[in-house]
Amino acid sequence: QVQLVQSGAEVKKPGASVKVSCKASGYTFTTYDINWVRQATGQGLEWMGWMNAHTGNTGYAQKFRGRVTMTRDTSITTAYMELSSLKSEDTAVYYCAKGRYYDPWGQGTLVTVSS
Amino acid sequence: QPVLTQPPSASASLGASVTLTCTLSSGYSNYKVDWYQQRPGKGPRFVMRVGTDGIVGSKGDGIPDRFSVLGSGLNRYLTINNIHEEDESDYHCGADHGSGSNFVRVFGGGTKLTVV
Repeated sequence: QVQLVQSGAEVKKPGASVKVSCKASGYTFTTYDINWVRQATGQGLEWMGWMNAHTGNTGYAQKFRGRVTMTRDTSITTAYMELSSLKSEDTAVYYCAKGRYYDPWGQGTLVTVSS
Repeated sequence: QPVLTQPPSASASLGASVTLTCTLSSGYSNYKVDWYQQRPGKGPRFVMRVGTDGIVGSKGDGIPDRFSVLGSGLNRYLTINNIHEEDESDYHCGADHGSGSNFVRVFGGGTKLTVV
């Protein structure tokens, strides 16, 4: 079945970077975009950006431009989202999701930013 | 870009029906909206896409027939019939806007559905 499996929880200090992975299986990886969304505790969903898994082209939300980088390794059908210059406000669960319908989603990766 | 507005909470009794609303901001009445279900402690799950003519495409995997959608004007509705305990979730709506470097995906604030 189609599945996205994300890397484990991370704890980072302010100013550091974090790289979250999203391993895809059950479909042709390069056929669909991978999207990234985050959710702070008790809050709604916040769109971060998308990546064309075939070309590697990306589009980022204005809020994250300059701080976020989305990449992929097609040989291992894995997408990555790296966020730099972390602040405490970046503490959230980060999700990847497949395609234009965001279906399915990964299980989420908790990133905690704390000194 | 559109703003999606959802009531923060809703409640319904077991076996009853409930309709959740996602309202697009003025000027975006032709936009399609995606509904997502997020059970406590879990990631979101695609329910279905809705436009002014109703469902667009197919429901998400495992979404029961009790779930249906309707679109009218600026409103996109998700109706759940014969509510089960497992329907207690946060429900989010999302929509795409623009293209190329101006593309964005926006989400509503979510509605917490409590089953009583």
